[in-house]
Amino acid sequence: QVQLQQWGAGLLKPSETLSLICAVYGGSFSGYYWSWIRQSPGKGLEWIGEIDHRGRTNYNPSLKSRVTISVDTSKKQFSLNLNSVTAADTAIYYCARELLVARGAFDYWGQGTPVTVSS
Amino acid sequence: VLTQTPLSSPVTLGQPASISCRSSQSLVHSDGNTYLSWLQQRPGQPIRLLIYKISNRFSGVPDRFSGSGAGTDFTLKISRVEADDVGVYYCVQATQFPRTFGQGTKVEIK
Repeated sequence: QVQLQQWGAGLLKPSETLSLICAVYGGSFSGYYWSWIRQSPGKGLEWIGEIDHRGRTNYNPSLKSRVTISVDTSKKQFSLNLNSVTAADTAIYYCARELLVARGAFDYWGQGTPVTVSS
Repeated sequence: VLTQTPLSSPVTLGQPASISCRSSQSLVHSDGNTYLSWLQQRPGQPIRLLIYKISNRFSGVPDRFSGSGAGTDFTLKISRVEADDVGVYYCVQATQFPRTFGQGTKVEIK
């Protein structure tokens, strides 16, 4: 059974860097894209970006200048860094697995990490 | 842009429900596939994949859920709504970058 477990700081001040990690338990790490998605009341679900096991990334242009997604295949983990956060980055952040052969098929999700940005 | 209708759908138990997802552009990929999926978010539960590539039911998803459509217009149908189906349903496209989601449709019991 595949499980995605995520963690990271939940309260940040403006201009700080959001850092989250997602660990994958069970299943292969290769053959998938690993994504970060966030959900806020004002903007619904928003795709942040993705990475594969080789480290190839794709980012949402709206966040690209502030986002870095990286992977540690030895630990079966991938991480999200979002710098210069503002209140607009307040959201629940999810990690998710996407099938390589069926793009958009986000078949496993983390439990979500609420992140609040406030001074 | 993906536009879902309705945004709220009160349904009687045992009755069908239908959710529309309309894209502002064709979702047919250059490889011939259409990468349109449906997700379910129930209160207190992880987000769940229901349907991928328009009409493929994911493993373990009951057959009362079905997806259809082509090009820019897609539909998720629940043939007989059960209490367990209460939640918010999202369409998501992965034909183009960035991936985008519909606004969500809340299914509730009348």
